[in-house]
Amino acid sequence: GAGVSQSPRYKVAKRGQDVALRCDPISGHVSLFWYQQALGQGPEFLTYFQNEAQLDKSGLPSDRFFAERPEGSVSTLKIQRTQQEDSAVYLCASSLRDTEAFFGQGTRLTVV
Amino acid sequence: AQSVTQLGSHVSVSEGALVLLRCNYSSSVPPYLFWYVQYPNQGLQLLLKYTSAATLVKGINGFEAEFKKSETSFHLTKPSAHMSDAAEYFCAVSGFNFGNEKLTFGTGTRLTIIP
Repeated sequence: GAGVSQSPRYKVAKRGQDVALRCDPISGHVSLFWYQQALGQGPEFLTYFQNEAQLDKSGLPSDRFFAERPEGSVSTLKIQRTQQEDSAVYLCASSLRDTEAFFGQGTRLTVV
Repeated sequence: AQSVTQLGSHVSVSEGALVLLRCNYSSSVPPYLFWYVQYPNQGLQLLLKYTSAATLVKGINGFEAEFKKSETSFHLTKPSAHMSDAAEYFCAVSGFNFGNEKLTFGTGTRLTIIP
C-alpha cells in the first residue's frame, strides 16, 4: 500500500488477555518504530527495527511487551497479560535511512 | 539525551489570526527537529522538518518554523489560521541519523480555531 497500515484499528481486551498488534510498513522501508501514546500525551518510543534486527528496545515498559519483525517487513507488537495501564494508542512508523518517519493511523487498545 | 518542551497545552486563536505554537528543545548533539500534526483518531502527519540546512523551514498547509540555536527554539507559525488547522501539534527531536533514530516528542499543543 501507499502508507503504513496498522491493524486492528481498535482492540478491546480483558485484563490478563494477550494481544497482538500488526504493522505493515511502507514497502522498502528498512527502519520500523513502535510508539505508545497515552491519552493526552505525546508518543513515546518503544522499540526500533532495522530490517529484521531489533536494534533498540529500551522503551519497552516491561517484559510483557515483545516485538518482532522476522522477515524485515511486517512487524507485530505483542502484549502479554494486559493491564489497564497498557491502554493507549500504539503507533507504528517506518522510514528509509535518510527520510523522516511516516506514521500509521495507530491501534487504540482499551483494557477493561 | 534529548528532550522537547511545548509551552501551552491548549492554544485558541480566531480564524484569520496568527498561529504561534512554541517548542524548545534540549540536545547534546546537533538536533534535527520536526513538527507533526495529528487529527482526531488519526496518525501523525509531518508538517515540516529542520535538518541543518536553512534555519527558516516552510512546510505544508502554510506553516513554517524557524530554528534559533541561541534560544534553543523551533516555534511553529502560520500567518492566518483556518478552521481546518484545528488539531493536535507535536514537536519532536532526533539526532542527525534521523531515519534510523527514535523521535522524542513533546506533550503536544491542542489548537482550537474560533470562528
